Amino acid sequence: GQSLEQPSEVTAVEGAIVQINCTYQTSGFYGLSWYQQHDGGAPTFLSYNGLDGLEETGRFSSFLSRSDSYGYLLLQELQMKDSASYFCAVRGNQGGKLIFGQGTELSVKP
Amino acid sequence: EPEVTQTPSHQVTQMGQEVILRCVPISNHLYFYWYRQILGQKVEFLVSFYNNEISEKSEIFDDQFSVERPDGSNFTLKIRSTKLEDSAMYFCASVGNNEQFFGPGTRLTVL
Repeated sequence: GQSLEQPSEVTAVEGAIVQINCTYQTSGFYGLSWYQQHDGGAPTFLSYNGLDGLEETGRFSSFLSRSDSYGYLLLQELQMKDSASYFCAVRGNQGGKLIFGQGTELSVKP
Repeated sequence: EPEVTQTPSHQVTQMGQEVILRCVPISNHLYFYWYRQILGQKVEFLVSFYNNEISEKSEIFDDQFSVERPDGSNFTLKIRSTKLEDSAMYFCASVGNNEQFFGPGTRLTVL
């Protein structure tokens, strides 16, 4: 089967750093992506890791360890507008099909 | 900045009716996808489309579903006979530079 595990919810305060972990078990693996979604709106691309290591894009960083089938999204200097759902998604084949996790709801408190 | 567009934003239909959801992918993209998201659940892959044919479909994408690229810009998802459980957000996406760009979605409500 195909499964991605991530925490269902995380709470943090403004200005803090939060890490959202994702472990995966899929039949194919062509990279791990992270998406942000506000209130049922369109998933918005945040980051992609095709190889092991850290990718940094502004306040967001993402890490991948293929040997551990594990990745994480790191959000720094949290802002209220970061309150949203965050999904990890495995690219399951060369055709680019995404297999999504259940999502982590991040609540940022003042 | 180019974006994926979808119409309508909200579609209400009676059970058993046919619906067509429309998408305009980003113009130079070659791979197109449909996903759905039932309220409160994860995003689920339905179908991928490349070179004017389906390249992969999920078990959700049964005979009631079909996709078409009728011209050089539109990409449509048709549900022939809607069921209550088809109520969901339907997202279209296209790929460029290792990034999958999603449209704003169509909220389908089946009564």
